[in-house]
Amino acid sequence: GQNIDQPTEMTATEGAIVQINCTYQTSGFNGLFWYQQHAGEAPTFLSYNVLDGLEEKGRFSSFLSRSKGYSYLLLKELQMKDSASYLCAVRDPTGGGNKLTFGTGTQLKVEL
Amino acid sequence: NAGVMQNPRHLVRRRGQEARLRCSPMKGHSHVYWYRQLPEEGLKFMVYLQKENIIDESGMPKERFSAEFPKEGPSILRIQQVVRGDSAAYFCASSPPSLSGANVLTFGAGSRLTVL
Repeated sequence: GQNIDQPTEMTATEGAIVQINCTYQTSGFNGLFWYQQHAGEAPTFLSYNVLDGLEEKGRFSSFLSRSKGYSYLLLKELQMKDSASYLCAVRDPTGGGNKLTFGTGTQLKVEL
Repeated sequence: NAGVMQNPRHLVRRRGQEARLRCSPMKGHSHVYWYRQLPEEGLKFMVYLQKENIIDESGMPKERFSAEFPKEGPSILRIQQVVRGDSAAYFCASSPPSLSGANVLTFGAGSRLTVL
């Protein structure tokens, strides 16, 4: 089975740094993805990790430890527009394809 | 290059009616995925299709729900005899045929179904 856990809500201050954690227990693993979803909109791709370590992309970084079943998304220099839901997802290697299993998402609120 | 196009964006149906949701994948993408998102819940996988083939429908309810991706035209998710519990946002996503590395799912803006 697939189980992905992430905090339901987080609050941070504009200009600060926030780390959103994700733990997973899955029957298979072929990559971990982070998506951003603003209310009423499509999820948009942020980052992808398949090997252990840190991937950096501008203000966003994502880390993966496969042995611990753990990832985090790091957002720096927070802006008000970063207020959104952040979705952690694991790709299922069985059956081919790009099937993702999502966590319930972390609702981030950025305050002044 | 248009993204994943879904229509209608909003659909209202009465209990017992049928709902048809359409999805045109990105140009060059031949794999289509449907997800359902209930209020305050995560995206739940429903079905994965390639042209004229259902590859994985493990997330589809056993009754009333069906999906197709014909050789010509958009993918369609069909819900027959809708019930209030079907009210949700239905997202379509597409990806390229190559399954290497960081090929990502690109999502459409979703179709929001409300059952009265």
